[in-house]
Amino acid sequence: DGGITQSPKYLFRKEGQNVTLSCEQNLNHDAMYWYRQDPGQGLRLIYYSQIVNDFQKGDIAEGYSVSREKKESFPLTVTSAQKNPTAFYLCASRASSSYNEQFFGPGTRLTVL
Amino acid sequence: LAKTTQPISMDSYEGQEVNITCSHNNIATNDYITWYQQFPSQGPRFIIQGYKTKVTNEVASLFIPADRKSSTLSLPRVSLSDTAVYYCLVGDAFTGGSYIPTFGRGTSLIVHP
Repeated sequence: DGGITQSPKYLFRKEGQNVTLSCEQNLNHDAMYWYRQDPGQGLRLIYYSQIVNDFQKGDIAEGYSVSREKKESFPLTVTSAQKNPTAFYLCASRASSSYNEQFFGPGTRLTVL
Repeated sequence: LAKTTQPISMDSYEGQEVNITCSHNNIATNDYITWYQQFPSQGPRFIIQGYKTKVTNEVASLFIPADRKSSTLSLPRVSLSDTAVYYCLVGDAFTGGSYIPTFGRGTSLIVHP
């Protein structure tokens, strides 16, 4: 089955630790995105990548880092510099040729203790 | 990117038709209008997309007036399972990978028994 996966679903970390969230897709999509969602809020863009080995900062990139070494994978690292990392993180992908439709993963809920 | 404005929340009852309107006064010629649905603790899911007039699929209808400065998502005969947040996005379908989907706070629809 084609789709986009994120792991783990729930993640707990101590304050000051870096943590990496996984995002994998087998849809052969060029573009991938990371969003953060806080309770009762919309999605805010952290980073996006339109092609392998290239990525750009979104609206709230401070305290986060990404890599795009493979088309299928777009991991997000939440560093200790991120002041309020507890949130719901969503990864999405989109075919360059498609109009606007994004496909989202199930999300990772990160809690920093 | 065209900015969108939607009501923060709406309430309805089972069996009723629900119409959610989105304003996008500065929509550009190449922009398409896309709606997503998000259930709690899940990623958003594409519902419907349109450019002008009316689009209908098995889930919803999308009405777009001639001036395209607004659009209305219509959900026929809602059920409790339609309780979700609905997002309206506007963007250039023809920019391919350079399109950056931007989500606002969306409209929280609550369907009551």
